Amino acid sequence: SQTIHQWPATLVQPVGSPLSLECTVEGTSNPNLYWYRQAAGRGLQLLFYSVGIGQISSEVPQNLSASRPQDRQFILSSKKLLLSDSGFYLCAWSVRQFSYEQYFGPGTRLTVT
Amino acid sequence: GQQVMQIPQYQHVQEGEDFTTYCNSSTTLSNIQWYKQRPGGHPVFLIQLVKSGEVKKQKRLTFQFGEAKKNSSLHITATQTTDVGTYFCAGPVGGSSYKLIFGSGTRLLVRP
Repeated sequence: SQTIHQWPATLVQPVGSPLSLECTVEGTSNPNLYWYRQAAGRGLQLLFYSVGIGQISSEVPQNLSASRPQDRQFILSSKKLLLSDSGFYLCAWSVRQFSYEQYFGPGTRLTVT
Repeated sequence: GQQVMQIPQYQHVQEGEDFTTYCNSSTTLSNIQWYKQRPGGHPVFLIQLVKSGEVKKQKRLTFQFGEAKKNSSLHITATQTTDVGTYFCAGPVGGSSYKLIFGSGTRLLVRP
């Protein structure tokens, strides 16, 4: 069966510090991978998606970047965090055989202080 | 740009009452998906509808896709406290199969 891991679960970082969030998927090959951000009590904002290794599409210009160094690994990074980067970061995967339904990881709650 | 709207934004019901959330897209959708997010949790896929006018049921939940494939609804019969959470609809962006645009969500609270 497929599983998705995200870490860390919670993170408190000062403004101006770097960020690295990691997501890995098990049990499937060549998944589409996604990074979303959710502000408190709000909807899901798609940040990045990837259809293959090294292929990254950015949806919203901002202080973040993404990389996909391996087939089932997706990394979200920032060189210098802003207060507005606080939120709930969710990684998700989808594959064609499951009709592109998206399956989400447990998320990382980031607070920038 | 393409938009997916949900109403109501928030609903508070007495346990045992019914609940409905509506989803409206600015464009025709090839399919519509529904997700549930429990408080403090992550979104969980519930169902996908593909055909015009399609109706699917999951126990007390009934999902419907409009004839024009631009709207959808989720109806919960006799709500229970376990139904608490935010319900999101989502549809493919443009001609993409794998990129979704999510609605703003309907938050359901159930009074025991």
